[in-house]
Amino acid sequence: KQEVTQIPAALSVPEGENLVLNCSFTDSAIYNLQWFRQDPGKGLTSLLLIQSSQREQTSGRLNASLDKSSGRSTLYIAASQPGDSATYLCAVINNDMRFGAGTRLTVKP
Amino acid sequence: NAGVMQNPRHLVRRRGQEARLRCSPMKGHSHVYWYRQLPEEGLKFMVYLQKENIIDESGMPKERFSAEFPKEGPSILRIQQVVRGDSAAYFCASSATGHGMSTEAFFGQGTRLTVV
Repeated sequence: KQEVTQIPAALSVPEGENLVLNCSFTDSAIYNLQWFRQDPGKGLTSLLLIQSSQREQTSGRLNASLDKSSGRSTLYIAASQPGDSATYLCAVINNDMRFGAGTRLTVKP
Repeated sequence: NAGVMQNPRHLVRRRGQEARLRCSPMKGHSHVYWYRQLPEEGLKFMVYLQKENIIDESGMPKERFSAEFPKEGPSILRIQQVVRGDSAAYFCASSATGHGMSTEAFFGQGTRLTVV
């Protein structure tokens, strides 16, 4: 059974810092990995999708990497802003989609 | 192309009543996933469906819960004889294909069920 772990559970940084969120998974036989953000009381917004054949994807200030062999993915956020404050979730896609518990990010002005 | 639509957004039920949660996937999507999220917790997988088929229901309680995705119409998550512990946000996601292809999943805004 696929287990997905996200570290840290919570992170607080001052505005402008670069930061890295971590996601690990136990079964490396995945098809894709997807990063989402969730604002309080809201649904999930897709940020980046990395296919199993890819090693990274970039969108604006966000960069996600994937190392299947080690069962790890990272989400790098450059020049963080208060508007980045949210919970970030990674989801591993095999025959279904399994989530980590998320990292709650707070960016202080 | 509208996104994933869930309704109702908020649902209040008394203990013992039935709750029906609906999810209309994005146009062209034939794969639907249901998740439950308790306050301050992550998303817990419940069930994965394709049109007219349940592919994986390993995360769904064996009793009182059922899901369907008929050939026509939305996917339905049905909770019979609700209890207070069923109070949660229920999210639905859809994707164009299941696995083996670039299958970005999109989420609805969720249905917040409150059992009183």
